[in-house]
Formats: sequence, C-alpha cells, structure tokens
Amino acid sequence: GEDVEQSLFLSVREGDSSVINCTYTDSSSTYLYWYKQEPGAGLQLLTYIFSNMDMKQDQRLTVLLNKKDKHLSLRIADTQTGDSAIYFCAGEVGGFQKLVFGTGTRLLVSP
Amino acid sequence: EPEVTQTPSHQVTQMGQEVILRCVPISNHLYFYWYRQILGQKVEFLVSFYNNEISEKSEIFDDQFSVERPDGSNFTLKIRSTKLEDSAMYFCASRGWTEAFFGQGTRLTVV
Repeated sequence: GEDVEQSLFLSVREGDSSVINCTYTDSSSTYLYWYKQEPGAGLQLLTYIFSNMDMKQDQRLTVLLNKKDKHLSLRIADTQTGDSAIYFCAGEVGGFQKLVFGTGTRLLVSP
Repeated sequence: EPEVTQTPSHQVTQMGQEVILRCVPISNHLYFYWYRQILGQKVEFLVSFYNNEISEKSEIFDDQFSVERPDGSNFTLKIRSTKLEDSAMYFCASRGWTEAFFGQGTRLTVV
C-alpha cells in the first residue's frame, strides 16, 4: 500500500524560509495535500497540488512536486511563530477512496 | 470557508460501552471519511463512505465499528464495546471534487 514519509522535526528562526519534505510511493495519486495541525486541534487544509503540476504558489506557501522522484515539498516564506505546528502531507489513494498521511513534521519557529 | 462540524469535542466513556461520534459534513460534498489519531501518532484511515455505502475500510475498521448517514446531513461513527486502545482523536472529513476538509475532531477517552 501507499507509504508516505516525512522528516520528524524542523527548527527555523522567524523570518527564515521553511522547507518541509515528503516522499510517497503511490505514483497514481491524483492530488497531494498539505495539512497543518496545531496542538489539540484539527487538520487544517493548507493547500493541495494536482499531479500534473510541478509547482503551486499560494501566498507564502509554495508546493513543489517531483513526480519522477515521488517527492513533495512545502516551502513557507517568511516563517512566523504562528506557523509552529505539525505539518502533514497526504496522498490520495484509489481515487476518492482515502488519503494516506505522512508521519508529520513538527515545525518550531523561534523568535 | 466551508466547515465540517463534529460533536462532541470530547467524550469519556467506560470500557465496554458504546459511543456514537457525530459529524455534519459540508453540504454539497459526496464523499465522507473517518480517521483516527492516537496521541502522538499518525493519522490513520478508518473508512470512506459514498452513495450511502462504505466504499473502503481499513483493517482497523472491524465489526466493532459502523457508520451511518441517517438523515442526509449527519454522518456518524458508532463504536461498540469500547476498549482502552480505542482512545484517540477521531476526525471526520468530507470531500468535494478536490479539497478534503476535516473537522476539529472528537477526543475519545476510554477509561
């Protein structure tokens, strides 16, 4: 089945850019997603990318997709302390059947 | 922004009791899901629901679990005879054509 891997932890300073990486195994995923989870809270959809795109930009967020390497990244420009959270990538499996989530990357932004 | 609503936000139940977790998906969505997240762990897929029937379920979703869309708006997850290891955050999600939105979750504590 689909396996989605992320690095566990990233620490940056306020104002820097953050890059969170994700690798996946199922090349048939049509959509790939990034979600943000703050402590004790739900999963907030940040952005998604269609599999025939290489890049998508949405304000401070840039998603890069390398289908050949099955690698997805989320870049957050001008990272703020409010961006501290866990970030999950998720790949679609079997069309609308389900999303498979990565392990999550804990982003810590220090002042 | 569209919103998935879950109730209750927190439920404490005794081992062996039945619980029903409730969700109101986004009104024009057709695909509905339940996921769970044991504290500090991955977000795990439980079940997907489309056209009033289960379209896929995971190994976790055994006979102890059932889902229902009783009235065309609510979407429920029933857990019969709860076990200590059922303690987790349970998330409902609904999906339109591209975006999958999650609720804030129900924290289930089995004592």
